[in-house]
Amino acid sequence: GAGVSQSPSNKVTEKGKDVELRCDPISGHTALYWYRQSLGQGLEFLIYFQGNSAPDKSGLPSDRFSAERTGGSVSTLTIQRTQQEDSAVYLCASSFMTSGYNEQFFGPGTRLTVL
Amino acid sequence: GNSVTQMEGPVTLSEEAFLTINCTYTATGYPSLFWYVQYPGEGLQLLLKATKADDKGSNKGFEATYRKETTSFHLEKGSVQVSDSAVYFCALSTGDSNYQLIWGAGTKLIIKP
Repeated sequence: GAGVSQSPSNKVTEKGKDVELRCDPISGHTALYWYRQSLGQGLEFLIYFQGNSAPDKSGLPSDRFSAERTGGSVSTLTIQRTQQEDSAVYLCASSFMTSGYNEQFFGPGTRLTVL
Repeated sequence: GNSVTQMEGPVTLSEEAFLTINCTYTATGYPSLFWYVQYPGEGLQLLLKATKADDKGSNKGFEATYRKETTSFHLEKGSVQVSDSAVYFCALSTGDSNYQLIWGAGTKLIIKP
């Protein structure tokens, strides 16, 4: 597709359940990023992939959060045993990876609500 | 540590009014500065950027000047339109991790006809 896509667009789950969020980056983009946007807050960096490896996982809030990327393309963010404080919009972005800053292109996000 | 502070919203203006959305930052070294915009129902998109002091970024009639002396990157537009209604985010990236953006909380802009 022309842009970054994410699915589902909305997810409502019960506390304690596991959820998987999917991101399809722009074709050819080697870098992929996950962010979390809580109500009234700026974006919080979660994790970054270069190809299939994640050099920086420093933003993951706890060990309940994990992410993987396969084939240098699709990425899945998994949240285990969800808690109410996990409710947020989860944004994915992708970019080329060259020296210096590379513009990040964002998907529309997945709105997660944990009841 | 690195941080970005931008004015709280919502900011409500009439069409053709002058717009300023303030953004100040704290950073080590020499960051690059960005404004992103999120239109209703759409993903974030880069509006403009400046990579060194005194640079002016501009796009779609919006401008922002990188002011190192005041650590600011205020967004301005001379005459806003209803279609400019959106949430605007100021962000920075530092030389030690160019990929990681540090974000302000966002400012919602509402333009009334």
